[in-house]
Amino acid sequence: DAKTTQPPSMDCAEGRAANLPCNHSTISGNEYVYWYRQIHSQGPQYIIHGLKNNETNEMASLIITEDRKSSTLILPHATLRDTAVYYCIVSSGGSNYKLTFGKGTLLTVNP
Amino acid sequence: KAGVTQTPRYLIKTRGQQVTLSCSPISGHRSVSWYQQTPGQGLQFLFEYFSETQRNKGNFPGRFSGRQFSNSRSEMNVSTLELGDSALYLCASSQPLGLAGGPNTGELFFGEGSRLTVL
Repeated sequence: DAKTTQPPSMDCAEGRAANLPCNHSTISGNEYVYWYRQIHSQGPQYIIHGLKNNETNEMASLIITEDRKSSTLILPHATLRDTAVYYCIVSSGGSNYKLTFGKGTLLTVNP
Repeated sequence: KAGVTQTPRYLIKTRGQQVTLSCSPISGHRSVSWYQQTPGQGLQFLFEYFSETQRNKGNFPGRFSGRQFSNSRSEMNVSTLELGDSALYLCASSQPLGLAGGPNTGELFFGEGSRLTVL
């Protein structure tokens, strides 16, 4: 699986959009970009995933660059409960059960 | 519907003992995978089961084993516990697409984990 690079930490003001970047320059054609988050002492929670096109769901939006070498997770209106470690993971669809978690980005939403 | 259930949530063992952790996946999910999370190594894949068969295994010693039952519930066992086995053990379930359990582009649903402390 391709490796990802994320900033170790980010801050965001409550109510503002949080934009979390991820580099995955070695991604291959059949690999998806997944985003999960983990709130302290809980199991990881799926947020969104995409292949080529931008995706949006009730939690977030995923913007993938045209060359697919990077992506951005957008939380449109961050709340204090969004404080968590966010993981960007690249994996082929056939083995999405075997995810390689990096260190992720600790997003702190401040009041 | 009910989420992934893991038991026990917390347990304390001593070195040399063995432990069995249980995971009940979301109803209808046939794939169960296990992860270990420690402060030093982060989240690491242990193994995955589908239809009572282990399909993939991470880089862990043979002391770590698992199985899956016909109702998709899964257990993992760690024998001869070491201090370094202290960790949060997470179970995740998913539903592969297709009749043969083929490629799955869906998400993993994680349980709250079993926190093991080895003294």
